[in-house]
Parts: sequence; C-alpha cells; structure tokens
Amino acid sequence: EDKVVQSPLSLVVHEGDTVTLNCSYEVTNFRSLLWYKQEKKAPTFLFMLTSSGIEKKSGRLSSILDKKELFSILNITATQTGDSAVYLCAVGGANKLSFGAGTTVTVRA
Amino acid sequence: DAGITQSPRYKITETGRQVTLMCHQTWSHSYMFWYRQDLGHGLRLIYYSAAADITDKGEVPDGYVVSRSKTENFPLTLESATRSQTSVYFCASSGDRGLTDTQYFGPGTRLTVL
Repeated sequence: EDKVVQSPLSLVVHEGDTVTLNCSYEVTNFRSLLWYKQEKKAPTFLFMLTSSGIEKKSGRLSSILDKKELFSILNITATQTGDSAVYLCAVGGANKLSFGAGTTVTVRA
Repeated sequence: DAGITQSPRYKITETGRQVTLMCHQTWSHSYMFWYRQDLGHGLRLIYYSAAADITDKGEVPDGYVVSRSKTENFPLTLESATRSQTSVYFCASSGDRGLTDTQYFGPGTRLTVL
C-alpha cells in the first residue's frame, strides 16, 4: 500500500523565521511528488517534482526531491502571516495520487 | 474563467436521505476526481473518471455513486447518507497525463449528516 508521511504534524513560528517541511514516501512506480497549500478552502498547487536534486522555487518557497532516500522538503523563508496554512504533500504512483495528512504551519506576527 | 466549481457549498441532511453533490469544470480536463477530507485522514479518493462515461473506484467508494455523461460534469451521489459520511468533499480535475498529473481543486462542499 502506498504511504506518504509528513512531518512535523504542526509547527508555530514567528514572522521572518524559516520553515522546513518534510515528506517521505513509499509508492509503487513513483511518477511525481506535488506540494499543495490549503488555507481553510481548496488545496492550491505549489510545485510538482519529478527529478532528484533539482530545486524548484517560487518566491520565498522552494522544494527539492530525493528519489534515492524517498523524501522531499518544502522550505519557506522569511515567513509571513499569510503563509499560515496546511501544506499537503501528494505522491503520484502507479494509478493514483496519495496524500499525506498535512503539516499545519502557524506564523505569528 | 470559472475553473472548477462545486455546489452546494454547504449541506445538512439526515441519515438515510439521498444527496447529490455537483462538480463542474470549464477547462475541458479529461480527468475528474472526488475526494473526502477528514481530520487525521488527509484527502482520500472516492471515485475518479478518465473521460465521459468512464469511471473507477478510488480508496473509499462504498456508499457513493458517480456518473459522467458530459466531460464538464461529475456529480457524486450518496445513495443513503450515513453519519460517517459527514465530511468535506472536494472535486478536482486534471489534464490528459493521467492520474498522477497536477490536480486542481474546487472550493469544496461541507456535508453534515445528522
């Protein structure tokens, strides 16, 4: 059975801090890893990663994949209160996307 | 540019009633999905559809029925609602690259079964 584990489950930081979120997986026939941000509504797409070692960046967010060790990290630098959300990791396997339970990030002013 | 929409956004029903949740997308995406999201379980796939008239079960299909007569619509029916089906339901769609392509989510329907 495919498995996606995110850590930590939740964290609280102050504005300006850097946050690192982890996603480890065991998936048959890995195809892709996706990160989503969910703020009390629908998940919104952040990144799709398919190759090891290639960092994807969007503003203060970046992510990288390690297909050998089967994990990905999502970094958020210079956090702002608007970064408060649940961050979901999803891994594409043979025939579906499997989602982790998410990491809840709270950024305090 | 509506994208993907769901209706209703909130629904309260009683045990045993039939409920249909609607999903509509304007991107002409091939694939459409229904998920439920519950605390501690994350997003779980209920059903998906690769094209009109093609549907398949996901992880948690029991108690649900889907149909897809038109590419843009993918309704989800709870034939006889149970309390355990209280959840937030998300519809999603993606392009032709299959089940593992980037999925774009609708705003969700919060369903309460009393």
